[in-house]
Amino acid sequence: DTEVTQTPKHLVMGMTNKKSLKCEQHMGHRAMYWYKQKAKKPPELMFVYSYEKLSINESVPSRFSPECPNSSLLNLHLHALQPEDSALYLCASSHQQDLNTEAFFGQGTRLTVV
Amino acid sequence: GESVGLHLPTLSVQEGDNSIINCAYSNSASDYFIWYKQESGKGPQFIIDIRSNMDKRQGQRVTVLLNKTVKHLSLQIAATQPGDSAVYFCAENRLPGAGSYQLTFGKGTKLSVIP
Repeated sequence: DTEVTQTPKHLVMGMTNKKSLKCEQHMGHRAMYWYKQKAKKPPELMFVYSYEKLSINESVPSRFSPECPNSSLLNLHLHALQPEDSALYLCASSHQQDLNTEAFFGQGTRLTVV
Repeated sequence: GESVGLHLPTLSVQEGDNSIINCAYSNSASDYFIWYKQESGKGPQFIIDIRSNMDKRQGQRVTVLLNKTVKHLSLQIAATQPGDSAVYFCAENRLPGAGSYQLTFGKGTKLSVIP
């Protein structure tokens, strides 16, 4: 299994809603990532988890709250988002953060904030 | 700040021709580079990687060249097919802190294959 699975594929939420994005991998990877991608732009790193601990937070607003319940799962909790937060949210995983190896990406969640 | 970038934002090629996508990087300490392909509505898909102790690496129909002297990376696609149409990103695995790699993407090149 070389897949990173993200749910939901599409999400529309109001600015007062609370929602969560989910990501799952069963490759035994111990590093997991959240990226944000706006249209026609490259993915931008948001958070990195290494061995279920948050190791990098790229100055992301607190309305985005990551969680890593175990080595296979990664969540991104959303609360009080703004329309400019609409984007494709990508989850990725790699073997370990201290190893120089490729990251595998999920198909993303297309988020629209109204 | 240091970044990974691309020379050409768009590239149109005839089916069957070879494609070359270029990427410049400025972090001389980077030692690992990856090319990703992203089709519309999908996540980035790994194509090929190269480490800084290599100048060239070949895969199936793809070749990556690394010129460390001028900090330049290229992706060559042989006999380009319609299914190759996508946005291609080069990515650099940076090491801003000890034991903590970060994958940073360049701007991307959109490849359009003309049947």
